[in-house]
Amino acid sequence: QKEVEQNSGPLSVPEGAIASLNCTYSDRGSQSFFWYRQYSGKSPELIMSIYSNGDKEDGRFTAQLNKASQYVSLLIRDSQPSDSATYLCAVKMNRDDKIIFGKGTRLHILP
Amino acid sequence: DARVTQTPRHKVTEMGQEVTMRCQPILGHNTVFWYRQTMMQGLELLAYFRNRAPLDDSGMPKDRFSAEMPDATLATLKIQPSEPRDSAVYFCASGPQGPYEQYFGPGTRLTVT
Repeated sequence: QKEVEQNSGPLSVPEGAIASLNCTYSDRGSQSFFWYRQYSGKSPELIMSIYSNGDKEDGRFTAQLNKASQYVSLLIRDSQPSDSATYLCAVKMNRDDKIIFGKGTRLHILP
Repeated sequence: DARVTQTPRHKVTEMGQEVTMRCQPILGHNTVFWYRQTMMQGLELLAYFRNRAPLDDSGMPKDRFSAEMPDATLATLKIQPSEPRDSAVYFCASGPQGPYEQYFGPGTRLTVT
């Protein structure tokens, strides 16, 4: 089992709809979770961090964490064409300080 | 606006040559990470430092890669000798200890011919 898994996509979502991105992780003791956005040819940019079970909202973004299911998700409301990018899930492993990235999900917002 | 800086932004070199990449972390950040990104493998952690001390470099090919932090404002990643399979984008990231959030530099695109 891969340490951090994401569906590679592409995920196509109509403009104005909700985009839902999912991530699962293998280390049950992990406590820190992150979502990064990466535009083509650019570096990853931190957009959300979440540490407790439940939802965390920031503008149009909502991160959801379920530690029992080892699952973290990112919802993007009112999707805009500028949201088209690759979204990387990152998890800090409990066994050490390493932060492991998933391979990312490509999101395409259809105008 | 504090940012991580990396030099060079692009590097083309021939197989067998030495390559040195430099990173200036954000002032006040005490953790520094080196990553390599390729289409096939995604973002791979090569090494990371806390308070300038190397904590893990298990992701690096030890025979050719080395990472150092000679001072708090400079991290280096060196490849000697370089090989075509080293072609990738190399990112440096820094972060404050605790939250484990990371802020990435613009990357160095390395091409080894």
